[in-house]
Amino acid sequence: DAKTTQPNSMESNEEEPVHLPCNHSTISGTDYIHWYRQLPSQGPEYVIHGLTSNVNNRMASLAIAEDRKSSTLILHRATLRDAAVYYCIRRNQGGKLIFGQGTELSVKP
Amino acid sequence: DVKVTQSSRYLVKRTGEKVFLECVQDMDHENMFWYRQDPGLGLRLIYFSYDVKMKEKGDIPEGYSVSREKKERFSLILESASTNQTSMYLCASSLWSLGSLNTEAFFGQGTRLTVV
Repeated sequence: DAKTTQPNSMESNEEEPVHLPCNHSTISGTDYIHWYRQLPSQGPEYVIHGLTSNVNNRMASLAIAEDRKSSTLILHRATLRDAAVYYCIRRNQGGKLIFGQGTELSVKP
Repeated sequence: DVKVTQSSRYLVKRTGEKVFLECVQDMDHENMFWYRQDPGLGLRLIYFSYDVKMKEKGDIPEGYSVSREKKERFSLILESASTNQTSMYLCASSLWSLGSLNTEAFFGQGTRLTVV
């Protein structure tokens, strides 16, 4: 199962928007794109998911490219509590969640 | 609130011991997962269970086995623990059925296993 590709790390300033990119060029037409984040010393927590259309929830927005080969997680106003490792994940037909290495986001005051 | 509970936060075992890591979820989820997490390697899937007594190997199943006799419980077994299995182990569960690939997974807090 091919994994997604993300930058190892990104930096942001507090209260500014953050765009976290993800490449999933081999994604199949039925795989969902999920995003999770992991705060220090905790298990990962769900952020958002989508299939083809852009999605919004109280935590973030997910923009999915038209060809579905990439997506971007958008945090509209980063806070210090958003500092975490963000994982972009394919969820296949069988239900498997396949993690990549994630992007470590640091937020500067 | 969905709860995924792992039996221990910290565990120290000796090389060659048989080790059981237990995970229990209280939301009647079909899917359960075991991952290990190591610095710089992200989360790697060890085993996945899509229903009771049904399992599928993940990326790194060697040295591990699993048991799912009841829906709520998914056990990870290290048949003969080795030092290279020192790691953080994370269990997760989610609802799943055809057409419901959009359901979120819930993770436990993790078990930090040290094999000496």
